[in-house]
Amino acid sequence: GAVVSQHPSWVICKSGTSVKIECRSLDFQATTMFWYRQFPKQSLMLMATSNEGSKATYEQGVEKDKFLINHASLTLSTLTVTSAHPEDSSFYICSATRTVNEQFFGPGTRLTVL
Amino acid sequence: RKEVEQDPGPFNVPEGATVAFNCTYSNSASQSFFWYRQDCRKEPKLLMSVYSSGNEDGRFTAQLNRASQYISLLIRDSKLSDSATYLCVVNWNGQNFVFGPGTRLSVLP
Repeated sequence: GAVVSQHPSWVICKSGTSVKIECRSLDFQATTMFWYRQFPKQSLMLMATSNEGSKATYEQGVEKDKFLINHASLTLSTLTVTSAHPEDSSFYICSATRTVNEQFFGPGTRLTVL
Repeated sequence: RKEVEQDPGPFNVPEGATVAFNCTYSNSASQSFFWYRQDCRKEPKLLMSVYSSGNEDGRFTAQLNRASQYISLLIRDSKLSDSATYLCVVNWNGQNFVFGPGTRLSVLP
């Protein structure tokens, strides 16, 4: 299967700081990337859909000014959590699609905001 | 009504048991269907796609009933390594994948 990486895998930050998470498709060009959030014992919740070269489409209830998404190339999308607060602590997972039905997940980034 | 619903679980079964998971989806225009498994603190991994005619992969059998908007996953001869959360995933517009809440399985020795 195709490989998707995320960096960092784990980050601890102070409340009020911003954190950037990178998602890369290593061996294919991803037309679309998705960002998910998962709280403990809950399923993945789609935050936004990111297409290369255009603005991300955010799901209802997700603040676009707080969760900045940049999809600068076909292999890289970034999610920046701005002014992070403890309630933003979560497991953030990206995925990239190679074809319509092929979705590959990154290993996730665990964010802890103190 | 949630877009994708699953058995709430958890399922605790002995090794060797057969276990079945159910999933229903609300959007009749859904195009493709998948089962993923997710281990604790890991990303979801594709277990199998679900085809209209039903499909089997070793001990795993998936079924789709479009009329009832229902998907199932059957695991035969459960192994300890099958312990995980099983996620039903529906792709309804060719782009977005909608995840069910997951069903947790624990296979006990």
